[in-house]
Amino acid sequence: DAGVTQSPTHLIKTRGQQVTLRCSPISGHKSVSWYQQVLGQGPQFIFQYYEKEERGRGNFPDRFSARQFPNYSSELNVNALLLGDSALYLCASSSGGNTDTQYFGPGTRLTVL
Amino acid sequence: GQQVMQIPQYQHVQEGEDFTTYCNSSTTLSNIQWYKQRPGGHPVFLIQLVKSGEVKKQKRLTFQFGEAKKNSSLHITATQTTDVGTYFCAGHSGNTPLVFGKGTRLSVIA
Repeated sequence: DAGVTQSPTHLIKTRGQQVTLRCSPISGHKSVSWYQQVLGQGPQFIFQYYEKEERGRGNFPDRFSARQFPNYSSELNVNALLLGDSALYLCASSSGGNTDTQYFGPGTRLTVL
Repeated sequence: GQQVMQIPQYQHVQEGEDFTTYCNSSTTLSNIQWYKQRPGGHPVFLIQLVKSGEVKKQKRLTFQFGEAKKNSSLHITATQTTDVGTYFCAGHSGNTPLVFGKGTRLSVIA
């Protein structure tokens, strides 16, 4: 079975631009979570979606938004990029329970110049 | 809000030495999970502990969950160069999202 896939792998943007990151979960998994990992830190929770509904939201500004599609894939959008948004963005899928094991994708490395 | 702290931040060991990382939560946890992230990689799930006082072993790795379900540890016996990476603990408190510690970066000198 394929694991979690994310695209693109790397992205370079300038301040003020907008970015869309994509994630496909493991087949059969209905929940997708997004995390931001700044260099030297642990992943920080941004959003969780389950069956296309937002189940949880972390302490991130409204510039961050996400959605989940009927096939359970997901997109993370970040508007008005700031230098501080530079990070590794990780998508994780799970079968659905809130305490389920998270299976992480390879991440998208976003650099904001 | 819930905070998860890990110590030490860095650990350098000679190959063959043992290694332990400790995790402490500001709140009682429903469960605790451990992940390993190799340099340049993504976090990979190692194990989940749910019961108070639980101990689980995976080959040279031993995981413990404290009696009060607020702390945990990961011990590696006789480290190998393949153990290099950052080890994260992460916990749920009630229905809250998973909160990760900052990790312990392990370097193994051959």
